[in-house]
Amino acid sequence: SQTIHQWPATLVQPVGSPLSLECTVEGTSNPNLYWYRQAAGRGLQLLFYSVGIGQISSEVPQNLSASRPQDRQFILSSKKLLLSDSGFYLCAWGKPRGKQETQYFGPGTRLLVL
Amino acid sequence: QKEVEQDPGPLSVPEGAIVSLNCTYSNSAFQYFMWYRQYSRKGPELLMYTYSSGNKEDGRFTAQVDKSSKYISLFIRDSQPSDSATYLCAMRVTNSGYALNFGKGTSLLVTP
Repeated sequence: SQTIHQWPATLVQPVGSPLSLECTVEGTSNPNLYWYRQAAGRGLQLLFYSVGIGQISSEVPQNLSASRPQDRQFILSSKKLLLSDSGFYLCAWGKPRGKQETQYFGPGTRLLVL
Repeated sequence: QKEVEQDPGPLSVPEGAIVSLNCTYSNSAFQYFMWYRQYSRKGPELLMYTYSSGNKEDGRFTAQVDKSSKYISLFIRDSQPSDSATYLCAMRVTNSGYALNFGKGTSLLVTP
């Protein structure tokens, strides 16, 4: 079976500090990978997605970047955090089946920027 | 108008009740519909997915899609306190990009 891991689970960072959140998937190969942010009252917002190693697409221009150094590893980064970067960050994976794909989420990282 | 609308609740029901959760949408191109359950401080968990119109049943859960009305529903029979969570609907245009369009979620509380 497939599992998805995220760490850390919780993070408190000062404004202006760097960020690195990691996501790994086990039990599958060549997954599509996604980073979402969930802010209170605003629902889930897609930040980045990747269909393969080194292939990153950004959905929303922002202070964040993503990288995929390995097939099942997805990293979310920032050089300088803003207060508005606080939120619940979720990684998800999906396996394309023709034109359909179901996305499965990780446990999330709760980020508080002070 | 947002593409996916979902009443945030909270919805409170007694144990054993039938629960109806709903979403409306504006993009008639949506063809693939999902329901996720999210417990507090956890990642969303996929409950149901359906393609196009009709009903799909899985245990106590039934997902219903009415494309003519742009309306989807999730029914929970014999609700349990463990069903207390936020329920998110999600949908996408099957052959257009990868993004899922989410509702903001409905908070459900099932009281013993």
